[in-house]
Amino acid sequence: KQEVTQIPAALSVPEGENLVLNCSFTDSAIYNLQWFRQDPGKGLTSLLLIQSSQREQTSGRLNASLDKSSGRSTLYIAASQPGDSATYLCAVMGGGSNYKLTFGKGTLLTVNP
Amino acid sequence: DGGITQSPKYLFRKEGQNVTLSCEQNLNHDAMYWYRQDPGQGLRLIYYSQIVNDFQKGDIAEGYSVSREKKESFPLTVTSAQKNPTAFYLCASSIQASYYGYTFGSGTRLTVV
Repeated sequence: KQEVTQIPAALSVPEGENLVLNCSFTDSAIYNLQWFRQDPGKGLTSLLLIQSSQREQTSGRLNASLDKSSGRSTLYIAASQPGDSATYLCAVMGGGSNYKLTFGKGTLLTVNP
Repeated sequence: DGGITQSPKYLFRKEGQNVTLSCEQNLNHDAMYWYRQDPGQGLRLIYYSQIVNDFQKGDIAEGYSVSREKKESFPLTVTSAQKNPTAFYLCASSIQASYYGYTFGSGTRLTVV
């Protein structure tokens, strides 16, 4: 059974700092990995989608990497801003005929002005 | 604009009552999913449907029921058999292929009163 772990559970940084969020998964037979952002009481907003054949994806100040063989992904946020404060969730889509997503518990990020 | 609409945003249920959460999508996605989110637990899959008139149980299906009579709609009923229904419920959809990610709705917060 696929398990996804996110470290740290919570992170507080001053504005302007570069930061890295970590995600690990136990079964490397994945189709893709998706990073989401969730604001309090809201749904999930997709940030980046990395296919199993890709090493990284970039969108603005966000960069996500994937090392499928070691079961790891990182989300790098450059020059953090208070508006980046949210919970960040990592999810993997399993291999075979399994198109279900398995989620980590998330990292709660607070960027202080 | 294409997207997923969940309604209502807030729902209150009395003890012993069944309630139905609505999820509608206009993305022409094949697959639809229901997740439950509790503090500290992450997102857990309740039910999913890959095609019309077919659905499968997820990890925590007890006390819930679904139907998929139309491609656009995937309502979730929380029955009186669900002993701890207070949670945030999220609906998602995807194209039934590995290259695409999920799109989520804005969620329904269900509270037992």
